[in-house]
Amino acid sequence: GAGVSQSPSNKVTEKGKDVELRCDPISGHTALYWYRQSLGQGLEFLIYFQGNSAPDKSGLPSDRFSAERTGGSVSTLTIQRTQQEDSAVYLCASSLRANPNYGYTFGSGTRLTVV
Amino acid sequence: TQLLEQSPQFLSIQEGENLTVYCNSSSVFSSLQWYRQEPGEGPVLLVTVVTGGEVKKLKRLTFQFGDARKDSSLHITAAQPGDTGLYLCAGGTGGFKTIFGAGTRLFVKA
Repeated sequence: GAGVSQSPSNKVTEKGKDVELRCDPISGHTALYWYRQSLGQGLEFLIYFQGNSAPDKSGLPSDRFSAERTGGSVSTLTIQRTQQEDSAVYLCASSLRANPNYGYTFGSGTRLTVV
Repeated sequence: TQLLEQSPQFLSIQEGENLTVYCNSSSVFSSLQWYRQEPGEGPVLLVTVVTGGEVKKLKRLTFQFGDARKDSSLHITAAQPGDTGLYLCAGGTGGFKTIFGAGTRLFVKA
């Protein structure tokens, strides 16, 4: 596609439920990143994919968070047993190569609210 | 841990004024990016600087990378209401990871 597409754009869920967030990167971009943005905070790195592999999962806050990428394209971020502190905007970005010098193209994000 | 500190956190100015925002760190970065983010949208890349002392201009915006590659500044000349947004600096760590600052929220009043 022309840009990075994320769905849903907004998600309200009850505490304890599982949620899945989807990211469709720019076609041909091999690198894919998930970040989390909380109110008044910078972007917090969660996970990075090169192709279908995730060389660095160190940013995932707990074992309730997992992510996968299939076909070198679409990625899904799953949060199990959601907690109120998981409320944030989850941003996905893609890049032609895994080199920050190229900059990232971000999607519009998924705003997650846990009630 | 590499950190990027941005200042000021919030800036409200009148249309036509000039302003400078800063991005500072005690760490050296391989590159520095500036992004602008509007409400409900993801950040949009404005510029990448990679060489110490480098200056880049984008219309009324001037970006500078410090000689030691630890800091950067963004100067806007004759600000316009369309410049309103959250300005984020981001540093390349030499690998694949980019570290983001918390941002400067700019509001330009007409």
